[in-house]
Amino acid sequence: GDSVTQMEGPVTLSEEAFLTINCTYTATGYPSLFWYVQYPGEGLQLLLKATKADDKGSNKGFEATYRKETTSFHLEKGSVQVSDSAVYFCALIVSGGSYIPTFGRGTSLIVHP
Amino acid sequence: DAMVIQNPRYQVTQFGKPVTLSCSQTLNHNVMYWYQQKSSQAPKLLFHYYDKDFNNEADTPDNFQSRRPNTSFCFLDIRSPGLGDAAMYLCATSGQGEETQYFGPGTRLLVL
Repeated sequence: GDSVTQMEGPVTLSEEAFLTINCTYTATGYPSLFWYVQYPGEGLQLLLKATKADDKGSNKGFEATYRKETTSFHLEKGSVQVSDSAVYFCALIVSGGSYIPTFGRGTSLIVHP
Repeated sequence: DAMVIQNPRYQVTQFGKPVTLSCSQTLNHNVMYWYQQKSSQAPKLLFHYYDKDFNNEADTPDNFQSRRPNTSFCFLDIRSPGLGDAAMYLCATSGQGEETQYFGPGTRLLVL
């Protein structure tokens, strides 16, 4: 079946540090890939997405590139802020399916001043 | 702004006492979802609607029921809450054929 594997958290960084959160996937078809962010006490919100191989999704300084050869969609940001502290979920949806996402377990990011 | 609204944000109930959580949306999306999220875990899909067509996940306990009286509203009923049902409950919507889901802020349920 389809699955998403994320790196274990929490990831703890100082402000302005470089961020990478790893995400790899297994899918039976050709998935679209997503990063959702969940701030404390809130629901999830879409951060970025990519729908085909080599696409790069970007938003709010975050980027992720759809790598079909390594089945990965790692999230990166060049300089994190305290306000980026949240839980980040990688997810996939297989095209032509039910549009129900498969989520990873989430990675907590803590950014210190 | 178009949005997904959940009420209440916090709900305290007693063991075995029925509780209803509500969700409304102004996005006019035809697909609505209910998720259960426990601490440090991914959201777990309970059920979803395509318009009024109800789809139950195979492992959703019978204790959980849902109603969707119209496009805008959806309810989650927990008939006899147990301590293990304490969680965040998230409502989400999506448009027909759209992959992106739009989440409400969630209702945190506490069972005493």
